[in-house]
Amino acid sequence: NAGVTQTPKFQVLKTGQSMTLQCAQDMNHEYMSWYRQDPGMGLRLIHYSVGAGITDQGEVPNGYNVSRSTTEDFPLRLLSAAPSQTSVYFCASSYSLGRDRANSPLHFGNGTRLTVT
Amino acid sequence: AQRVTQPEKLLSVFKGAPVELKCNYSYSGSPELFWYVQYSRQRLQLLLRHISRESIKGFTADLNKGETSFHLKKPFAQEEDSAMYYCALSGLDNTDKLIFGTGTRLQVFP
Repeated sequence: NAGVTQTPKFQVLKTGQSMTLQCAQDMNHEYMSWYRQDPGMGLRLIHYSVGAGITDQGEVPNGYNVSRSTTEDFPLRLLSAAPSQTSVYFCASSYSLGRDRANSPLHFGNGTRLTVT
Repeated sequence: AQRVTQPEKLLSVFKGAPVELKCNYSYSGSPELFWYVQYSRQRLQLLLRHISRESIKGFTADLNKGETSFHLKKPFAQEEDSAMYYCALSGLDNTDKLIFGTGTRLQVFP
């Protein structure tokens, strides 16, 4: 298993440009999520999905869109990049949160370092 | 509201000293609490979870519902414990999300 794969590893955008951060997992995980990591602010949840066709907003969803058309993929779209979106982005997945799966641990990708100038 | 608070951004100790990384939470239901760790140049990974009541790499954490805390402890710190530690919380519903605290950087000096 490759686990959670994120692409690209690095990206530089100009203000106003759009792009999609890719995330794929091959563990048949139901739960997938996107976090951004910023100094002094820890990991903040952007969007998450509890299964194919289901997405929901996290703590900081503005400026980002997601979709979950398949179990494996959970892309994060920036429609019009802003300097405030400069960050390290992590995708994470788990079998399921919730009592019946005893909250299986999150598996993280290696991250995407995004700079918006 | 679901919230995790880690009051210390940085904790510095010498090798062999006891360590306690603080975590407090706010949650209306019954939470599941976790500690995740990120070593230098490595992925974030689960360290331990409260439902397992386990000790990993000498670390333990007890859920105190009265104080709404889940502090991470180790009696004798090692240099290899130096890392970023995140406390995280989730509910028990299958539609719940996992929320992280702001993290505490642990530095263990020789």
